[in-house]
Amino acid sequence: KAGVTQTPRYLIKTRGQQVTLSCSPISGHRSVSWYQQTPGQGLQFLFEYFSETQRNKGNFPGRFSGRQFSNSRSEMNVSTLELGDSALYLCASRQGRPLNTEAFFGQGTRLTVV
Amino acid sequence: GIQVEQSPPDLILQEGANSTLRCNFSDSVNNLQWFHQNPWGQLINLFYIPSGTKQNGRLSATTVATERYSLLYISSSQTTDSGVYFCAVKQGGSEKLVFGKGTKLTVNP
Repeated sequence: KAGVTQTPRYLIKTRGQQVTLSCSPISGHRSVSWYQQTPGQGLQFLFEYFSETQRNKGNFPGRFSGRQFSNSRSEMNVSTLELGDSALYLCASRQGRPLNTEAFFGQGTRLTVV
Repeated sequence: GIQVEQSPPDLILQEGANSTLRCNFSDSVNNLQWFHQNPWGQLINLFYIPSGTKQNGRLSATTVATERYSLLYISSSQTTDSGVYFCAVKQGGSEKLVFGKGTKLTVNP
């Protein structure tokens, strides 16, 4: 059974640009969550999608957005990139129903904003 | 919101030594997971343990939910155990995981 796949693995962008990251969950999983990891703030929750609907959102500005497709693949978008957006972005996959199932993470996308 | 504290923040061991990592949380939880982050950044699942005790080879974990803590035991440590260990908890109906700041483990040969 394939794991959680995130693409691309590495990205370098310039301030002001936008970026789209992709996450394909484990087959049969319908919940996808996104997390940002930085040395200063640690691992922080961005948002969670289940059945194409955003179910929860963390405390991030509106420049961070996401969506989920009918095949459960998810994308997150960051517009007007800032230097502080440089981070490792991790995606987690869960069954989604019932609640409280185990989360499995992808390898992450390392974004560098210059 | 819930607070998750991990201790110690850093731990240096010689190969073959045993260690205990602790995770304290400030409120009741319905999910707790332990992860090992490898050098490439991926979070590797170690245990899904909202309560009770589990063992997997040289690793074991215990969560005492009523006292709001969890322990991760590593026995006969190996250099490949090096990395950062995270505890993450979940509350209520949200799927949001709240992570501790991690314990950085270094195992020297």
